[in-house]
Amino acid sequence: QVQLQESGPGLVKPSETLSLTCTVSGGSVSDNTYYWAWIRRPPGKGLEWIGLMHYTGSKYYNPSLKSRVTLSVDTTKNHFSLKLTSVTAADTAVYYCTRDRVEYYMDVWGKGTTVTVSS
Amino acid sequence: QSVLTQPPSVSGAPGQRVTISCTGSSSSIGAGYDVHWYQQVPGTAPRLLLYGNNNRPAGVPDRFSGSKSGTSASLAITGLQAEDEADYYCQSHDTSLRGSRVFGTGTKVTVL
Repeated sequence: QVQLQESGPGLVKPSETLSLTCTVSGGSVSDNTYYWAWIRRPPGKGLEWIGLMHYTGSKYYNPSLKSRVTLSVDTTKNHFSLKLTSVTAADTAVYYCTRDRVEYYMDVWGKGTTVTVSS
Repeated sequence: QSVLTQPPSVSGAPGQRVTISCTGSSSSIGAGYDVHWYQQVPGTAPRLLLYGNNNRPAGVPDRFSGSKSGTSASLAITGLQAEDEADYYCQSHDTSLRGSRVFGTGTKVTVL
């Protein structure tokens, strides 16, 4: 059974870069069947899709975040990563990594990690 | 980016039936894309509740069902239970946002 685990700093200063990693266990990021995605939920708000990627390199981003987001995959470490630059308080959220199916839905979710942007 | 609209809240007594609507557009649900639903119990990660409009993953009770028509979809919970109190989100795809997944605005279900 595939499990996902997010990791990274819980506190990031304004204007700096948020970096998170999602480690995949019980499966492979190189599985051609799936994409790998990031979702976030800011306090008091709903879910927001950040972006997704395939291990072969295809990537799609939320247009509202596209200029600040970079997704990458490391097949040797079986994990994928999110970088979000120039963060502000509006980027404070619980960040989730997910497994995304070609049928356009997410069937496996990590437990989430809280990231606070504050000086 | 939400292009799927849900009511902010719905409530019902234990045992009752509640429904949650999800309204999209001709470029999302109306374009023929499936709708999927997620449940997020407070303090936990979202979990897939329904996929492909009305398919339940293993472990999801048959009290949950979904439907889709035109540019809208709905989630029904029959025999409402206290453990169903959570936030619910619909999700689909939008052709105007290449490759994107889009979430609904979310609905808080309260069990009275």
